[in-house]
Parts: sequence; C-alpha cells; structure tokens
Amino acid sequence: AQTVTQSQPEMSVQEAETVTLSCTYDTSESDYYLFWYKQPPSRQMILVIRQEAYKQQNATENRFSVNFQKAAKSFSLKISDSQLGDAAMYFCAYRSSETSGSRLTFGEGTQLTVNP
Amino acid sequence: ETGVTQTPRHLVMGMTNKKSLKCEQHLGHNAMYWYKQSAKKPLELMFVYSLEERVENNSVPSRFSPECPNSSHLFLHLHTLQPEDSALYLCASSQEYLAGGRYEQYFGPGTRLTVT
Repeated sequence: AQTVTQSQPEMSVQEAETVTLSCTYDTSESDYYLFWYKQPPSRQMILVIRQEAYKQQNATENRFSVNFQKAAKSFSLKISDSQLGDAAMYFCAYRSSETSGSRLTFGEGTQLTVNP
Repeated sequence: ETGVTQTPRHLVMGMTNKKSLKCEQHLGHNAMYWYKQSAKKPLELMFVYSLEERVENNSVPSRFSPECPNSSHLFLHLHTLQPEDSALYLCASSQEYLAGGRYEQYFGPGTRLTVT
C-alpha cells in the first residue's frame, strides 16, 4: 500500500520570504499523480498543484512550485514570496494511475504560519 | 451555488440521535466521496460513489450509512455514533472515477461533527 509522509508538523516563514514543505512517499508503482492541497482555517480543501510522475519537468503554479525527485520518492513544495493568505495546513497526496479509481492517500499535514 | 457545498457546517449530536450530512456538487461530476478528518491524523477515505453506485467502502462501521440518490447529491446518515466519531467530514467530487486517476477531486467545506 502507498504511504505519504510529511515530516514537518509545523513550519513558519516571514512574509515575502520562501519556504519549502517536505513530502516523501512510498510506492512500487511507476505511474502516479502527486498533489499538494491547502486547507485554510475555513477548512475548504483547495488544490494547489499537481505533478504527473511521468513528467520530468517540475510543476509550477505562480508562486508555488514543486521539486519532484522520483528516484528518491520526494515531492516538496516551495512557496515563494509568502503571503499572509498562504497560512494554512498543507497536505501532500498520492494517487495511483495503475489501479482503478481515484483514491487519494494523504500525508499528515504541515501547518504553515506566515509571520508579518 | 458553485463547487461543492455541505450542510450543516456544524453538528452536535448525542450518541442516540440520528442525523444526516448532505453534500451537493454543482460541477457536473460523476463521482463523489466521503472523507473523515480527525485531529492529527491523515484524511481517511470512507466511501466512494461512481454514477450513483457505491464502489468503495473502506471498512467503515455500519453506524455510517451513505446514500447517493443522483450524481449531484450525497448523504451520510449517522446513527448511534460514538464520541470518537467526532471529526470533520469532508465531501469531494471528481469528474470520473476511472483507472488512470486523471481527475482532480474538488472538496466541500466540511461538516464539523461533535458527538456528545
């Protein structure tokens, strides 16, 4: 079974600076998808970025980018020019591309605080 | 309304009560999901419905009973719950529930359930 591990329960960053959130996963599959979701205090889970495992190029969405290291099974999220609105719980998630369905396996989450 | 909505947003119930959680998606999706989010634990997938048929039931106790009358609506009927069932219950939807897992899940804001 796939597992997702986020080793940083809490992180903090100064406004306008850069922070990197870590995620590792364990799988025997070669094709899969990885996601970062953001859950602000409103509890609405919002998709931040996704990465297809077959793509070597790291995904980027505005100030959010990932460092995908397939061999190391690592998928970190970099937030540049951090803003107060980035404060949230961030979840890393894995989805198989080889088994049926769209099951997501989530990590435990990293609580990000942005200091003004 | 747009996206995925959930009602009620907060619910307090006794262990002998019967209540229902409602989820509605306005995205034209064919798959819907119930997740449980407990403190300090990863999100746990409870049920998946695809085209109104239940396709996954992840060893959820029978005191949780899902219902999907059509592709836009999903209910979670609750009866004789335990205090440990207190959690945030999240509903999600995706375009399809297929092998290959290309489709993102969109989440509702959740129902905060407290069992007394």
